[in-house]
Amino acid sequence: AQSVTQLDSQVPVFEEAPVELRCNYSSSVSVYLFWYVQYPNQGLQLLLKYLSGSTLVKGINGFEAEFNKSQTSFHLRKPSVHISDTAEYFCAVRDRTGTASKLTFGTGTRLQVTL
Amino acid sequence: ETGVTQTPRHLVMGMTNKKSLKCEQHLGHNAMYWYKQSAKKPLELMFVYSLEERVENNSVPSRFSPECPNSSHLFLHLHTLQPEDSALYLCASSQTSGDYNEQFFGPGTRLTVL
Repeated sequence: AQSVTQLDSQVPVFEEAPVELRCNYSSSVSVYLFWYVQYPNQGLQLLLKYLSGSTLVKGINGFEAEFNKSQTSFHLRKPSVHISDTAEYFCAVRDRTGTASKLTFGTGTRLQVTL
Repeated sequence: ETGVTQTPRHLVMGMTNKKSLKCEQHLGHNAMYWYKQSAKKPLELMFVYSLEERVENNSVPSRFSPECPNSSHLFLHLHTLQPEDSALYLCASSQTSGDYNEQFFGPGTRLTVL
């Protein structure tokens, strides 16, 4: 079984400042890793994913994440945030040997960008 | 319509009512999912349908009854719900074949049980 920990429930940041949203996971097998974003009154949208290869993954809207196997982390970063990045961000893992249904989500981090 | 749509977007019901949530995907996928999203809790996978057969039921109370009449439609029938069932119910779809199958989510139905 897998688990995902997002320690920060809320992250306030000023516009144009850098941001890092933390994600740590626990799994006894190799996993795929994902970040989803949920804007107000909308469903989840895939931001980026790590399947294999380079540990630095680039996603949409200028976000990137780095897979660190030794620290079992997949932190999300953006060098300069915009007001429109205000949303809820969810980290998720999936067992490589499982089916598409076996996504395990964290509790989410609310990113609040202000002027 | 494109992507995954859900109706209604908002629903208020009493504990004795019967209602249904509808999900439709326009992506040609063959797997569909129901999730429950409650505040401060991880998304909970409720049901999975693959090729119109239920392949997963994560210990969901019987007051929630899913139905998948074809690969494009998914329903969640609700009856005698409890106030703690109030949440955002998200539908998703994906392909079942291939190495990695991204799930595409609908906007959700905000359910309030009085």
